[in-house]
Amino acid sequence: GEDVEQSLFLSVREGDSSVINCTYTDSSSTYLYWYKQEPGAGLQLLTYIFSNMDMKQDQRLTVLLNKKDKHLSLRIADTQTGDSAIYFCAGTNEKLTFGTGTRLTIIP
Amino acid sequence: SQTIHQWPATLVQPVGSPLSLECTVEGTSNPNLYWYRQAAGRGLQLLFYSVGIGQISSEVPQNLSASRPQDRQFILSSKKLLLSDSGFYLCAWSGGWKSGDTQYFGPGTRLTVL
Repeated sequence: GEDVEQSLFLSVREGDSSVINCTYTDSSSTYLYWYKQEPGAGLQLLTYIFSNMDMKQDQRLTVLLNKKDKHLSLRIADTQTGDSAIYFCAGTNEKLTFGTGTRLTIIP
Repeated sequence: SQTIHQWPATLVQPVGSPLSLECTVEGTSNPNLYWYRQAAGRGLQLLFYSVGIGQISSEVPQNLSASRPQDRQFILSSKKLLLSDSGFYLCAWSGGWKSGDTQYFGPGTRLTVL
């Protein structure tokens, strides 16, 4: 099965850019996703990228996909306090496999 | 638009008691449905998924069971809860592989077994 790995913690100063990284093992994943989980809540789909794309931008969010290195990243520009959450990457190949999540902390 | 509901939002149960968590989806038909568990500070573990009424696939052996009595209803159950069943339970739906199988999550149920 697929393994998806993320760093557990990231601290970023308010107004800076946050970059959350993810590596995966199954290169046949058709879609790769980023979800956001705020405390005590379910997962909110942030964005996804199709495997034949290198980059996708959606307002403050930029997703970069390096298929050769099996590396996915999420960049949040102008990080705000409301961006504090756990961010999960996930890949799909028959089933959706989640990383362990990266807890993003914003430093005022 | 589609919405997904879970109840109850929180639940505290004694060890050995039964469990029933419910998930319903509105605004779509024949969805794929999923139950996940998230232990404290950890990622998501897929417990069950269903591609249709009465069709349940179990991902891990455990003390829990799932049922799908109606197209848009998914139930997670246990006859006797264990302490290790504590966690945050998330239900999700997707439109199936043809639509990329993007999964949308409910608000979750926090279960504490004492």
